[in-house]
Amino acid sequence: DGGITQSPKYLFRKEGQNVTLSCEQNLNHDAMYWYRQDPGQGLRLIYYSQIVNDFQKGDIAEGYSVSREKKESFPLTVTSAQKNPTAFYLCASSISGTDAFFGQGTRLTVV
Amino acid sequence: DAKTTQPTSMDCAEGRAANLPCNHSTISGNEYVYWYRQIHSQGPQYIIHGLKNNETNEMASLIITEDRKSSTLILPHATLRDTAVYYCIVRAVNTGTASKLTFGTGTRLQVTL
Repeated sequence: DGGITQSPKYLFRKEGQNVTLSCEQNLNHDAMYWYRQDPGQGLRLIYYSQIVNDFQKGDIAEGYSVSREKKESFPLTVTSAQKNPTAFYLCASSISGTDAFFGQGTRLTVV
Repeated sequence: DAKTTQPTSMDCAEGRAANLPCNHSTISGNEYVYWYRQIHSQGPQYIIHGLKNNETNEMASLIITEDRKSSTLILPHATLRDTAVYYCIVRAVNTGTASKLTFGTGTRLQVTL
């Protein structure tokens, strides 16, 4: 079945450590996105990528990094520079210019 | 992308129609109205979108006013499984560019028995 997969579903990290969240899609979509969601809030865009080897900062990119070496994959690294990393992280993909499909999210908790 | 305004929360009895309003008074001519919903702790799910004309699919209907400054999402027969946060989004759709969906806080719809 085609879809977008995020792993792991739950992730715990010690303060000061970097952590990488996985996002894979087999929909042959060109564009991929990372959003962050805090309790009771809407989604905020972290990074997005239109094509392989290209990506742009979203509204809250500080403390995060991404790569897009393959069309299918868009991993997000939460670095130690991110002051409040505990959140729900959502990955999405789309054919450029159309609606987006979302993964089921990764809930990151800093302990 | 234009900003949208939605009520914070709404209730609806199961089996009745749920009408969720959205104001987008600064919408531009090339911007579509999109609706997504998010069930607790899951990723948002696309529902429907439209430009000028009313739209209907298996999930919902979208009514857009003639001046395009507001719209209403209609769930014709709400069920308990429709309890979710509903997001109204307006955005330009240009072929070849990434669709930067900008989410507000949405409307929390509670369907009750």
